[in-house]
Amino acid sequence: TQLLEQSPQFLSIQEGENLTVYCNSSSVFSSLQWYRQEPGEGPVLLVTVVTGGEVKKLKRLTFQFGDARKDSSLHITAAQPGDTGLYLCAGEGTTDSWGKLQFGAGTQVVVTP
Amino acid sequence: GAVVSQHPSRVICKSGTSVKIECRSLDFQATTMFWYRQFPKQSLMLMATSNEGSKATYEQGVEKDKFLINHASLTLSTLTVTSAHPEDSSFYICSAMLAGEEEQYFGPGTRLTVT
Repeated sequence: TQLLEQSPQFLSIQEGENLTVYCNSSSVFSSLQWYRQEPGEGPVLLVTVVTGGEVKKLKRLTFQFGDARKDSSLHITAAQPGDTGLYLCAGEGTTDSWGKLQFGAGTQVVVTP
Repeated sequence: GAVVSQHPSRVICKSGTSVKIECRSLDFQATTMFWYRQFPKQSLMLMATSNEGSKATYEQGVEKDKFLINHASLTLSTLTVTSAHPEDSSFYICSAMLAGEEEQYFGPGTRLTVT
C-alpha cells in the first residue's frame, strides 16, 4: 500500500491570507491529483500532475509535484471564503494499479471573511 | 464535461436488509468504474474496480459476497450492500473513467444509514 500523508489536517485562515497544503509519500507515483470535496458531495478534480518538478497554476492555486514524484503541494494565494473545503491528494501507483487512486486523509480548509 | 450520477443520494435501511446503489455515466461510456467508501472525517477508501462485462476486482479486506458489484453496461454499475449492518453506514462514492483516458469523474455520493 502506498500511503499518502497530508498536512496539516485542518487549517483555518482569514480571507486574503495564503496557505499551503502538503502531500507526502515514501512511494513514487505515476501521477498525483488534487481534489476538493464539499460536505455530502463527491470530490471534484482540480489538477493532475505527472512530471517530476512540474508546476501547474489554476488561478490562485499553484500545484507542485516533487522532483522524485513522491510529494506534492498545493498553495492558495489570497484565500477566499469560497476556497473552504476538504482538499484531497490522490496518487496513482506505478505498477499493476492503473486507474487505482490512493487518497490522502485530506486537509480541511476554512477561510473566514 | 463528463457527468456521473448516483442513485439514491440518501438511503436508510434496517439491519439485515440489502441496498442497491446505482452509478451512471450520463454522457460518456465508462469501461471502468470504481467504488469508494468514506467514513465521517476520513478519506476515500477504494473498495473495488468494476470493469464492464467482467467480474469486479476487490481491494484487500473488502468482502466480495457482501458488496456485490455488477457492471452490466458501459454506463451503469451497481453496488449492492447485502445484509447491511450499522457498521456499513457510510458515504459510498463511485467514479468512472472514459475509455482510453486516465481521469476519473466522481459521482455525488450516496449516504447509507443502516439502523
